[in-house]
Amino acid sequence: KAGVTQTPRYLIKTRGQQVTLSCSPISGHRSVSWYQQTPGQGLQFLFEYFSETQRNKGNFPGRFSGRQFSNSRSEMNVSTLELGDSALYLCASSLDPLTGGNTIYFGEGSWLTVV
Amino acid sequence: AQSVTQLDSHVSVSEGTPVLLRCNYSSSYSPSLFWYVQHPNKGLQLLLKYTSAATLVKGINGFEAEFKKSETSFHLTKPSAHMSDAAEYFCVVSGVLTGGGNKLTFGTGTQLKVEL
Repeated sequence: KAGVTQTPRYLIKTRGQQVTLSCSPISGHRSVSWYQQTPGQGLQFLFEYFSETQRNKGNFPGRFSGRQFSNSRSEMNVSTLELGDSALYLCASSLDPLTGGNTIYFGEGSWLTVV
Repeated sequence: AQSVTQLDSHVSVSEGTPVLLRCNYSSSYSPSLFWYVQHPNKGLQLLLKYTSAATLVKGINGFEAEFKKSETSFHLTKPSAHMSDAAEYFCVVSGVLTGGGNKLTFGTGTQLKVEL
């Protein structure tokens, strides 16, 4: 069974640009969540999607957005990039916890560097 | 509200000696607790999880953790460290969000160094 797949793995962007990251969850998983990891702030929750709907959102500015498609694949977008957005962005998938699926599996991450 | 405190930011052990990574948690309900490991330039790999069954949880690569409600602890142990265990370890508590879905609250991580 394939794991969580994230693309691209590495990318470099310039301040002010926007970026889109993609995530394919484990087959059968309908919950996809995104986390940002930085040396200063550690791992922080961005948002979570289920059945194409954003169910929960962390404390990030509106420049961070996402969506989920009918096949459960998800994308996140960061607009007007700032230097502080440089981070490892991790996607995670799980079954719906309301039906007992509370184990979250992570992808390898997308390393974003903003210059 | 839930929170996790990893008591050591760095732990150094010799190969073949025991490993102890300490974690205390705070949760207003019966928590689900996890340990994840992150090797350099990699994502997070699940080591083990506690979900209110047995209090002693066995994970991959010889790791185990014991849930102690009275001490609100979930320490990670391994009898004999291997060089390949050198990585960062995260203690995590999981909660179900108001709108459904899981939210993980991470500890700040413990960097494990294994020396020859």
